[in-house]
Amino acid sequence: NAGVTQTPKFQVLKTGQSMTLQCAQDMNHEYMSWYRQDPGMGLRLIHYSVGAGITDQGEVPNGYNVSRSTTEDFPLRLLSAAPSQTSVYFCASSRVGNQPQHFGDGTRLSIL
Amino acid sequence: EDQVTQSPEALRLQEGESSSLNCSYTVSGLRGLFWYRQDPGKGPEFLFTLYSAGEEKEKERLKATLTKKESFLHITAPKPEDSATYLCAVDEGTDKLIFGTGTRLQVFP
Repeated sequence: NAGVTQTPKFQVLKTGQSMTLQCAQDMNHEYMSWYRQDPGMGLRLIHYSVGAGITDQGEVPNGYNVSRSTTEDFPLRLLSAAPSQTSVYFCASSRVGNQPQHFGDGTRLSIL
Repeated sequence: EDQVTQSPEALRLQEGESSSLNCSYTVSGLRGLFWYRQDPGKGPEFLFTLYSAGEEKEKERLKATLTKKESFLHITAPKPEDSATYLCAVDEGTDKLIFGTGTRLQVFP
């Protein structure tokens, strides 16, 4: 049982480059979310989805895009990377929004 | 502004020395409070959910309690393997979790 799988685990980008962080879950969960974790700031919600075809903004959505074409996948796109987006990114899923979330092991992203 | 505050930021305990971690929150309507454990280089791992004041949950050496304004995670006779960062998160009914910044626990043999 894979749970929540994030790829890649590490990535280095140059300012202005774009990339997609992948997230897949095999638990048939309706709710999926993306967080970033920075020292001293805790986990902050970027975007979330309550089901296929439905997405909404979290606390820090600027500079990021998401889509949810299937129940299993919830990719996060950085449109034009900036050094301020250097962080650890976590994807999570749950059966519905108010249930405990299962987290992936994160993508460590550095923007030079 | 809705907030979740955890204290202390860091805690060092001797093996067997019991203590408590605090999570205080200011949200308009609590739908659920979650405790997670996070090991270095890993994603948070779910521990407990509490839904109403007075509720308690236990798992091995951990016990979580909830009042109207705060939650405590009590650690009884901790072992070195309990060393981790413990995160608290609040669901106020908007499908968005608000996380605290965590308590980094170190247990020494």
